[in-house]
Amino acid sequence: QSALTQPASVSGSPGQSITISCTGTSSNVGSYYLVSWYQHHPGKAPKLMIFEGTKRPSGVSNRFSGSKFGNTASLTISGLQAEDEADYYCCSYAGSSTLVFGGGTKLTVL
Amino acid sequence: EVQLLESGGGLVQPGGSLRLSCSASGFTFSTYAMFWVRLAPGRGLEWVSSISVTGHSTDYADSVKGRFTISRDNSKNTLYLQMNSLRADDAAAYYCAKPHCTGGDCYRPPDYWGQGTLVTVS
Repeated sequence: QSALTQPASVSGSPGQSITISCTGTSSNVGSYYLVSWYQHHPGKAPKLMIFEGTKRPSGVSNRFSGSKFGNTASLTISGLQAEDEADYYCCSYAGSSTLVFGGGTKLTVL
Repeated sequence: EVQLLESGGGLVQPGGSLRLSCSASGFTFSTYAMFWVRLAPGRGLEWVSSISVTGHSTDYADSVKGRFTISRDNSKNTLYLQMNSLRADDAAAYYCAKPHCTGGDCYRPPDYWGQGTLVTVS
């Protein structure tokens, strides 16, 4: 049940693009397309931004996109805006009834 | 609108117990498996436990196995987490979460989360 590996922090200026990686193993990310990404503002409920690796829920900006290759999933945010500043977490289905999460990445919009 | 509202957190001494509740509305709670997930400072999100639709099947992270018990009351649309033998490293915000599924014993990563309830062990 080891956590998925994410960078602790990333930053970018308004209008720029950033990518957050999420590295797992063949037991989770590498074996399942069920990878989701969440945006979390402290004190609030995490918000689903990407599911099934690449899909956006209704209402989520198309500036958010996801991808997956092998054991690594990625979240890209284009056209950075101040409101994107938050913590971002990845999550993968890990078989049976279990999940595994990443350690989280703090996004700073400069 | 799906709503999940956790309660029951608070300050507890090491070795103590707490029972968390999660009241669900806006969806047919009795037809979905459910999760508990926690967020500790500096440690990221951690899956804690899962429970099937009927409650007959449960699963736990190794870090809480034997100390925590997940349960549900479908007549009350409520999910529970009984936490015993609490340790300092159990201190966290605890969230209940609904799998991103159309129902049944499906355990896809969540689509809806509550705002969490804070557990402090000191």
